[in-house]
Amino acid sequence: QKEVEQDPGPLSVPEGAIVSLNCTYSNSAFQYFMWYRQYSRKGPELLMYTYSSGNKEDGRFTAQVDKSSKYISLFIRDSQPSDSATYLCAMSPSGSARQLTFGSGTQLTVLP
Amino acid sequence: EADIYQTPRYLVIGTGKKITLECSQTMGHDKMYWYQQDPGMELHLIHYSYGVNSTEKGDLSSESTVSRIRTEHFPLTLESARPSHTSQYLCASSDPSGRWAGELFFGEGSRLTVL
Repeated sequence: QKEVEQDPGPLSVPEGAIVSLNCTYSNSAFQYFMWYRQYSRKGPELLMYTYSSGNKEDGRFTAQVDKSSKYISLFIRDSQPSDSATYLCAMSPSGSARQLTFGSGTQLTVLP
Repeated sequence: EADIYQTPRYLVIGTGKKITLECSQTMGHDKMYWYQQDPGMELHLIHYSYGVNSTEKGDLSSESTVSRIRTEHFPLTLESARPSHTSQYLCASSDPSGRWAGELFFGEGSRLTVL
């Protein structure tokens, strides 16, 4: 069983929709949770970074962590065609990048 | 924007050839990484470097090797390429003293196809 499970999609939504992307995990030691965005033919870039449980908001993006359910989410409000990308969740028991475990990514397309 | 560069971006070669994928960063980061990414699959760490002359294998076994003789340079070499090595290879670096210690800065990747 994979430590991190992520629905691969693809997910297609109309412009302006609210998007919900999710990951589940099995390792209760994970404390740091990240979302990376990867555009086609590019490397991933960090989008959101949270520690432990709770919510974090950055513009149109909200990251949510529920450690009791081992479930993390990324919400995108007022989605734009420029949000079309693959979104990778990643998590670590410490703040070290060396120990990151990635999900397989969800491919999102926002239609104009 | 991250200053980490990979060459070549795309490479198609025949079985048995030796290849080197180049990775350079101008951020002065001590820690560098090589990941392998296949379609629909997780990123898997294949090599890690703490700093100059310090490297270790990652979580996914790989027949490739790496070297780190300069902080900014972290090349990956395959002595004899095989079709099973066909994949995208992503180089990254991190700065433990940065805004978020776990943040990885990725290059754009090298897509290798072995015929």
